[in-house]
Amino acid sequence: AQKITQTQPGMFVQEKEAVTLDCTYDTSDPSYGLFWYKQPSSGEMIFLIYQGSYDQQNATEGRYSLNFQKARKSANLVISASQLGDSAMYFCAMREGQAGNNRKLIWGLGTSLAVNP
Amino acid sequence: DADVTQTPRNRITKTGKRIMLECSQTKGHDRMYWYRQDPGLGLRLIYYSFDVKDINKGEISDGYSVSRQAQAKFSLSLESAIPNQTALYFCATRADTTFGGYTFGSGTRLTVV
Repeated sequence: AQKITQTQPGMFVQEKEAVTLDCTYDTSDPSYGLFWYKQPSSGEMIFLIYQGSYDQQNATEGRYSLNFQKARKSANLVISASQLGDSAMYFCAMREGQAGNNRKLIWGLGTSLAVNP
Repeated sequence: DADVTQTPRNRITKTGKRIMLECSQTKGHDRMYWYRQDPGLGLRLIYYSFDVKDINKGEISDGYSVSRQAQAKFSLSLESAIPNQTALYFCATRADTTFGGYTFGSGTRLTVV
């Protein structure tokens, strides 16, 4: 079964508007971390934001925020005031387990975001 | 200099050739990883290393080998390249903390013809 699901293969947003990229996850581990990465067309993988399963507040990093709904097992990325440079693939990923254990990063298949001028 | 440097950035090689992809990092992290990325399949883990003496297979290690020459260096080899190994390859590092965010290199785009 997919552990990380990104249901939107492609999204469009108008410049300066906000956009939400969906991510749902599946785990029975009470301790986990959720990540969002951006991959522009040049190929590099850029870390955006992190949410720990025990964090009480939603993570925010500049224009990025993570809408974490633990009961629904969703960790949607919200980009406010979209810019043309936000056009890229966006990946949601999860790591299960306690620090120090053999923990691997599980990836979604990504959402392609296009920002229109 | 980038925190994680991969060389080469692009490579075209012939079927059957041996090729090495190199990765070096300045983060001081013990943990290093090699991933490959294919369209529609996402990122898949090839090998990972928790320190110089600890190397582990990931989910798709067949056809690949690795060498952890030092804490800062982790190389991936394709012993006899085949066309379905054409992909984008990423090296990553992370610290062993609860957060332990991954830092990725810029990727190596490998084409096997």
